[in-house]
Amino acid sequence: EDQVTQSPEALRLQEGESSSLNCSYTVSGLRGLFWYRQDPGKGPEFLFTLYSAGEEKEKERLKATLTKKESFLHITAPKPEDSATYLCAVLSGGSYIPTFGRGTSLIVHP
Amino acid sequence: SQTIHQWPATLVQPVGSPLSLECTVEGTSNPNLYWYRQAAGRGLQLLFYSVGIGQISSEVPQNLSASRPQDRQFILSSKKLLLSDSGFYLCAWSVKGDTEAFFGQGTRLTVV
Repeated sequence: EDQVTQSPEALRLQEGESSSLNCSYTVSGLRGLFWYRQDPGKGPEFLFTLYSAGEEKEKERLKATLTKKESFLHITAPKPEDSATYLCAVLSGGSYIPTFGRGTSLIVHP
Repeated sequence: SQTIHQWPATLVQPVGSPLSLECTVEGTSNPNLYWYRQAAGRGLQLLFYSVGIGQISSEVPQNLSASRPQDRQFILSSKKLLLSDSGFYLCAWSVKGDTEAFFGQGTRLTVV
């Protein structure tokens, strides 16, 4: 059974304090790993898709990386508007269904 | 470009009443469609998914059902709501293949 574990569950940062969120996975045949951002009361917003180890994607202050066992979402010099819950999901084997982690709640203080 | 519409945004229903939540996708054809429920601190729980018209798969037994009467329309229903059906319901779509899913804005359902 596929497992996706995100850590930490919650993270508080000061504005400008860079950090990383972790998504570790145990799957049989990774076909894709996805990162989402979710604001309170809203649906998840797609950020990145990674397909193979060594791949990196960037968008503004966010950079996602992938290894054979985990993915990191690096946040450089975060701002208060980066506060949200960040979700990771994987697609593996022959399934149509992505498996989601429980997310990391990020709060950035001004 | 593709868009997904989900309504209503909020809903308060009495126990025992019926439910119908609708989701439509524009700008694509033959998408995979999904219904999720999200409880606070518990992540996304897949309820139903569909790979085509009239093809519905259920992940968990429950008081809910789903239908896909048209290619880009997905409906979540219940004949009689329970208190435990309260939650945040999300519709999502993806193209066929190893691609990301895109979510609607969600429906906050409160059963009273």
